[in-house]
Amino acid sequence: QKEVEQDPGPLSVPEGAIVSLNCTYSNSAFQYFMWYRQYSRKGPELLMYTYSSGNKEDGRFTAQVDKSSKYISLFIRDSQPSDSATYLCAIGPGGTGNQFYFGTGTSLTVIP
Amino acid sequence: NAGVMQNPRHLVRRRGQEARLRCSPMKGHSHVYWYRQLPEEGLKFMVYLQKENIIDESGMPKERFSAEFPKEGPSILRIQQVVRGDSAAYFCASSIVGYEQYFGPGTRLTVT
Repeated sequence: QKEVEQDPGPLSVPEGAIVSLNCTYSNSAFQYFMWYRQYSRKGPELLMYTYSSGNKEDGRFTAQVDKSSKYISLFIRDSQPSDSATYLCAIGPGGTGNQFYFGTGTSLTVIP
Repeated sequence: NAGVMQNPRHLVRRRGQEARLRCSPMKGHSHVYWYRQLPEEGLKFMVYLQKENIIDESGMPKERFSAEFPKEGPSILRIQQVVRGDSAAYFCASSIVGYEQYFGPGTRLTVT
């Protein structure tokens, strides 16, 4: 079983829609949860970071963590064409390890 | 404040040559992670370093790969005797405390 699973999509939505991106993870010891946005042939850009269950909001973005279900989500409100990118979740570290595990990414296209 | 710098951005090596990838972390950051990204795959952890110390190299192949982060200067990822399978994008990320990671633009290595 992979440490982190992410639906690869692709996801295509009209401008202004609410987007929901999700990841599941296997190790209940994981403590930190991050979301990155990656444009084609660029480095990942940190969007959101949290270490507790519940919601964290930043502008149009909301990160949600449910540790009991080992499930995290990123919601994008009022999506814009500039949000078109690949979104990666990153989860870790756990136990005695130091590494973070990344999902394979969900490709999002927002259609004007 | 400049972001994470990586050079070169593109590197072409023939099989059997050495590849040397450099990463300068953000100012004030003393933690560096190296990742490899293959097409259609997520970011794979390779190594985690702090100044002058390798903290976790569990993701690094045992042979041909090495990494360092000297007291002065950039972090270096070295790949000796490259093979075609080493062709990938290599990203480094830096952090103050090891959790919120900020990525560089990556080095795209092509082995011919």
